[in-house]
Amino acid sequence: NAGVTQTPKFRVLKTGQSMTLLCAQDMNHEYMYWYRQDPGMGLRLIHYSVGEGTTAKGEVPDGYNVSRLKKQNFLLGLESAAPSQTSVYFCASTQDRAANTGELFFGEGSRLTVL
Amino acid sequence: AQSVTQLDSHVSVSEGTPVLLRCNYSSSYSPSLFWYVQHPNKGLQLLLKYTSAATLVKGINGFEAEFKKSETSFHLTKPSAHMSDAAEYFCVVSLLNTDKLIFGTGTRLQVFP
Repeated sequence: NAGVTQTPKFRVLKTGQSMTLLCAQDMNHEYMYWYRQDPGMGLRLIHYSVGEGTTAKGEVPDGYNVSRLKKQNFLLGLESAAPSQTSVYFCASTQDRAANTGELFFGEGSRLTVL
Repeated sequence: AQSVTQLDSHVSVSEGTPVLLRCNYSSSYSPSLFWYVQHPNKGLQLLLKYTSAATLVKGINGFEAEFKKSETSFHLTKPSAHMSDAAEYFCVVSLLNTDKLIFGTGTRLQVFP
């Protein structure tokens, strides 16, 4: 009964380093999303995917890349981390268009600090 | 463009008293609206949703929200707060047949004994 699993849960990077966050879902959902959460700003959409092999930009895509090679996995990459990317990152998935059902299933978050 | 405004960043109530978390929306179309809850160090969970059916929507844990088109509001209420309700609450709007949800900035609810 895992649902949406994010790894790692915590990470500290130095400016300029790269890393990848992994999101895995076991619900066979088509749609997957990466959000970042910052104090006082709610959740902002970084990138999303409407199915295996597809990706699309969200509200704040700069500095991030994503890949969806397998339906169950959605990877978020930071090629050259910057302090402005210090945030809590959430992955979410849903079977139908999010706007239709409104029900996103979220992971527990990955806290990233860039020094 | 669709957007939501949560009018209070923090709300404090005593256990057993009513809860009111306010949300106004902006939409050029008939919106779908949602409330999500986030407990400390957890992911978000859907609390309730309005998708153009009944204007009074009931959710989990005794919460409900009323869609008022004339006031462009979708306030979240609960008659009696419980300690376990302490969390952050997000009002969310979408446009039908898109792939995106737009989150408000959140309201942190504190419940005192």
